Parts: sequence; C-alpha cells; structure tokens
Amino acid sequence: GAVVSQHPSWVICKSGTSVKIECRSLDFQATTMFWYRQFPKQSLMLMATSNEGSKATYEQGVEKDKFLINHASLTLSTLTVTSAHPEDSSFYICSVDRGYGYTFGSGTRLTVV
Amino acid sequence: GIQVEQSPPDLILQEGANSTLRCNFSDSVNNLQWFHQNPWGQLINLFYIPSGTKQNGRLSATTVATERYSLLYISSSQTTDSGVYFCAATGNQFYFGTGTSLTVIP
Repeated sequence: GAVVSQHPSWVICKSGTSVKIECRSLDFQATTMFWYRQFPKQSLMLMATSNEGSKATYEQGVEKDKFLINHASLTLSTLTVTSAHPEDSSFYICSVDRGYGYTFGSGTRLTVV
Repeated sequence: GIQVEQSPPDLILQEGANSTLRCNFSDSVNNLQWFHQNPWGQLINLFYIPSGTKQNGRLSATTVATERYSLLYISSSQTTDSGVYFCAATGNQFYFGTGTSLTVIP
C-alpha cells in the first residue's frame, strides 16, 4: 500500500512558538491528504482536508489561522501549528486515500510547554 | 455525518483466548477499515472491508453492509495484540469509531 512518511515523530516547543509537521506520500501522488488530531484515550478527529494547489478545507471548530495547511506538491502536505499553546498538545496524524483504503503516517506527538 | 460506534470499549483477555469486536455504523458507507493503533500511536491497517469476509492469519473481519455492522475476530490472542482497535467508515469523510482498548495478559 501507500507509504506515508510523517516528520517529526515528536516535538516539544515553547508556548507562543510555531511548529511545522510534514506529511509525505512516498509512492503515490496525492491530490488530497487528511490531517487528524487525537487527544489521549480518544478517537481520531478529522481537522482538515489538504488539497494540492488550493486552499485546505477545515472541519467545523478548527481554527484556520492557527492550523495552517500547505499542499504545494502531490507528495507533500504541511501542517503548521502557529502560536502554539499547551492546549494544542496532541497527537497529529496525516493520511492518504489511494481509492481502496486510507494509509496513515506514523504521527507527530506535540507537547507545548 | 455517520456515527460509528464500537463495542466493547475495553476488553481484557487471557493469552490464547478468542474475541470479537463489533463496529456499528449509522448509514451506508463506501469504505470500512479496521486499524490497530500500537502503543506508539501508529495506525496499522488490518482490513479494507466494505463488505464480505476477509482473513489474515489469526485475524478475520466480516462486514454486513445491509445491516450496517462489521466484526473483527481475533483468535488465539497474543500479548502483541494489545492496543486500541478502531474501525473507520467513509461517508462524505472518513469517520473513526470510538475504539476498543484490548489488553492481552500472559
């Protein structure tokens, strides 16, 4: 199946700084990628759909200005958490749909201190 | 959107035991997948199963789309099976279920 690489695996940042997370589709050209967030002991919630060459589509309640998504190529989508605060600490994971199932990256554990 | 409910929420098994995890979904779906999330958070795709039955080693899954449910069978459980099992279904987006946390004890 599709291989999805996500970087970094974990990051600790200070409150008020920005953090960029990369998601790469290694063997599949993805016009669409998906970003999820998972809080401890909870399920995954879709944050936004990343569209190559156009604006991302955000789910209700997700702040566009805080979670900046860029999908500049068919193999790379980035999520930037701007002015991070402790409540943004979470597990962020991206995915690609190849048409016969979703494949997920390994996730990024963000801790804001 | 589609509601995806899983049961049981928690399950503790003795090593070697069998188990059945259930996933109910509230509407017709185009895709249904089962995942195992390991302790490091990685989501491992177990089955892509919008309908029918599939088997992979000790695991098998059945989806009855007309009745809006899917089952994941784990036979001869091992400690490495521990983790959280999610089903997820596609309507207009990919909806994750509530998860089943499985602990297999030696």
